[in-house]
Amino acid sequence: GAGVSQSPRYKVAKRGQDVALRCDPISGHVSLFWYQQALGQGPEFLTYFQNEAQLDKSGLPSDRFFAERPEGSVSTLKIQRTQQEDSAVYLCASSLGQGTYEQYFGPGTRLTVT
Amino acid sequence: LAKTTQPISMDSYEGQEVNITCSHNNIATNDYITWYQQFPSQGPRFIIQGYKTKVTNEVASLFIPADRKSSTLSLPRVSLSDTAVYYCLVGDTYKYIFGTGTRLKVLA
Repeated sequence: GAGVSQSPRYKVAKRGQDVALRCDPISGHVSLFWYQQALGQGPEFLTYFQNEAQLDKSGLPSDRFFAERPEGSVSTLKIQRTQQEDSAVYLCASSLGQGTYEQYFGPGTRLTVT
Repeated sequence: LAKTTQPISMDSYEGQEVNITCSHNNIATNDYITWYQQFPSQGPRFIIQGYKTKVTNEVASLFIPADRKSSTLSLPRVSLSDTAVYYCLVGDTYKYIFGTGTRLKVLA
């Protein structure tokens, strides 16, 4: 079956531009997560959705970052007024339930801010 | 959330068994231990999860001593394709802390 997909796979943005990153989770997965991974580091948690409800956004680094999942399926991570420090790989993951259920990750979107 | 410590890197040869140990001295009663694998340009992939003693699946084994303050991921007979970063995660919620992981390099 299809796994988690993300688009675009690569995005180059000029500093100050807005970007939108899309995540298509596995069908039927209740939980959806966004992570940020800097070069040479492990993924860092950004935010968590259970269906359409954003239950945890404690990892979002600033108010320029916004995530939504309006119908409990596809999610979009939006970054406004991008800065160079936003350059990273953004990973989306989904899981069947809550807690320590296995998280299935997408391939990520590599964002480069110039 | 319990902090974990694991080696930064390891080298091994094809066909050998590889053991990666993770230290988690502050593990809480409800915490599970989970390992993920990440190849370059891919998202992490779940390998195995356990609570105590030993868990085995088709790709790895996880050994957890009685005090649960450490755990060991065992990969039998590694191949070149097992070259990856391996993350040890401890917690009882969705909020994983990945750390920098262990970079395993398998040599021919």
